Amino acid sequence: SQQGEEDPQALSIQEGENATMNCSYKTSINNLQWYRQNSGRGLVHLILIRSNEREKHSGRLRVTLDTSKKSSSLLITASRAADTASYFCATGIQGAQKLVFGQGTRLTINP
Amino acid sequence: EAQVTQNPRYLITVTGKKLTVTCSQNMNHEYMSWYRQDPGLGLRQIYYSMNVEVTDKGDVPEGYKVSRKEKRNFPLILESPSPNQTSLYFCASSLSWTGTEKLFFGSGTQLSVL
Repeated sequence: SQQGEEDPQALSIQEGENATMNCSYKTSINNLQWYRQNSGRGLVHLILIRSNEREKHSGRLRVTLDTSKKSSSLLITASRAADTASYFCATGIQGAQKLVFGQGTRLTINP
Repeated sequence: EAQVTQNPRYLITVTGKKLTVTCSQNMNHEYMSWYRQDPGLGLRQIYYSMNVEVTDKGDVPEGYKVSRKEKRNFPLILESPSPNQTSLYFCASSLSWTGTEKLFFGSGTQLSVL
């Protein structure tokens, strides 16, 4: 089964609103990363949060990590039409030479 | 421009006809990896390489081969493709693998095996 599971699977909001996506995982991690994928294209790294961090900001992005609950959230503030994409969380697992990706949240920003 | 380049972008082939998907990065990255993306299954790792001549299986290696003769190139070989290998494939690289590196992805190869 997937290490990371995003919730919701799909989210549709109006431009200017905030979008929140959640990710849960199962095993101990080194870090958790968020990626964006525009329709069928390659994934683009957004932000990385280490296991000893609780919150991180980058522009309009805010990521939180709760290792006790094995969960993370990605907040996009003041959304724009260009934010329409799928968003994936990916976990770096201790001892594994890979990132494990969730199935993603499809975000649609309506003008 | 720093990038991971995959070719071809689209490929339609028939069962059993050997094919190679090329991947090249210009960032002097040590770590490279192949993923496939399928609806409902997310991204799954096929093979990875920690450096030249060092490769290892990921989660779904059956039916695939890789080689890493040069640092910049990491081709994915399907010696006898089957319809269940129809998928969207991504090559990715990172500077090294310390467990805290971000991945740079190629634009993807959409493969259809008839």
